[in-house]
Amino acid sequence: AQKVTQAQTEISVVEKEDVTLDCVYETRDTTYYLFWYKQPPSGELVFLIRRNSFDEQNEISGRYSWNFQKSTSSFNFTITASQVVDSAVYFCALSLSGNTPLVFGKGTRLSVIA
Amino acid sequence: GAGVSQTPSNKVTEKGKYVELRCDPISGHTALYWYRQSLGQGPEFLIYFQGTGAADDSGLPNDRFFAVRPEGSVSTLKIQRTERGDSAVYLCASSLVGGRDTQYFGPGTRLTVL
Repeated sequence: AQKVTQAQTEISVVEKEDVTLDCVYETRDTTYYLFWYKQPPSGELVFLIRRNSFDEQNEISGRYSWNFQKSTSSFNFTITASQVVDSAVYFCALSLSGNTPLVFGKGTRLSVIA
Repeated sequence: GAGVSQTPSNKVTEKGKYVELRCDPISGHTALYWYRQSLGQGPEFLIYFQGTGAADDSGLPNDRFFAVRPEGSVSTLKIQRTERGDSAVYLCASSLVGGRDTQYFGPGTRLTVL
């Protein structure tokens, strides 16, 4: 069975600080996909990134960056110079190859204070 | 283009009543998923359609829950004899192909059973 753990329930930072959201996953499959979604107060899940298990290259998109390490089964997400608009619940998720649904972590609530 | 839409956005019903929740996926997306999100939790899988057929309904909690997608586009999640424990946000997502493709989510339907 697959499992995603987001150990940080809530994080609070001051604007312009950097913050890292942790994600640890469990699966016995060698082919899988990892995702991060953002859920702002409006409630809609917004897709941020997808990585497959064969691509461990880190990715940067503006102030966002992702660190994928298969050796530790982690897929961490860093926001640089956080802004108030980054306040949301962030979910890490996993799916296997083929026709399988997403398995989500419980989410990390990020509050960025001005 | 238009994203995933869900109606109604809010539904309040009384215990024992029947409800239908509708999902209109992104045009051209063949895969459609239903998830349920309780307060403070990540979304949990309910059922997945590939085209018109339910490819995986292992997440449906019991036989009071049923979903259809008769023409391979719009889907309806049906809940009979609602219980207070059914109160949650019901999320719909669609993707081009199941599993490995990115799922895009709708805004959800908040169901409250009194």
